[in-house]
Amino acid sequence: DAGVIQSPRHEVTEMGQEVTLRCKPISGHNSLFWYRQTMMRGLELLIYFNNNVPIDDSGMPEDRFSAKMPNASFSTLKIQPSEPRDSAVYFCASSSGQGNTEAFFGQGTRLTVV
Amino acid sequence: LAKTTQPISMDSYEGQEVNITCSHNNIATNDYITWYQQFPSQGPRFIIQGYKTKVTNEVASLFIPADRKSSTLSLPRVSLSDTAVYYCLVGLISNFGNEKLTFGTGTRLTIIP
Repeated sequence: DAGVIQSPRHEVTEMGQEVTLRCKPISGHNSLFWYRQTMMRGLELLIYFNNNVPIDDSGMPEDRFSAKMPNASFSTLKIQPSEPRDSAVYFCASSSGQGNTEAFFGQGTRLTVV
Repeated sequence: LAKTTQPISMDSYEGQEVNITCSHNNIATNDYITWYQQFPSQGPRFIIQGYKTKVTNEVASLFIPADRKSSTLSLPRVSLSDTAVYYCLVGLISNFGNEKLTFGTGTRLTIIP
């Protein structure tokens, strides 16, 4: 397996634009996590899914952020409209969720909102 | 999840053993202890996990005292490539996959040549 795949690796966008980040989890994993990392706030859990269902989205900063998992092999994190303070590295991770907390992280998407 | 406390940073020389301690005073009976490592510009990577006593793998050892209120990650004979941020997580392993992986501030380990 190629691991967790995120796209794009880098994204630069203007304030007010819509941004969509994509994630392909490891095949067979049924838990998926979205994180945001900044120097100031560290690694923050935004939302996590189990069997494609959002279990906890309490970390989603505000209504501008939304996440979907339409099937077991794909998830998106959307920011609309984007703001400069959304600039961060966004990580997606997946785990088997079967009595195991070992999560596998993607390479991340570095988002810059100007 | 139980809150964890780790030193913000540590320095060590190459070839030495490094021990990073994490405090988790309100750990619950069913909680496991997991450590992750993060290199710059990469996502965190699982290192080791344990419930009690000692766990060892090819990368590190994890020591957990009987009261489980703390744990120590031990890295033997560190090299420059061990420079990274190390996170301690405490949480429930659920058979239903509803574990919530919440990272703290981590310990920034710098290895000096």
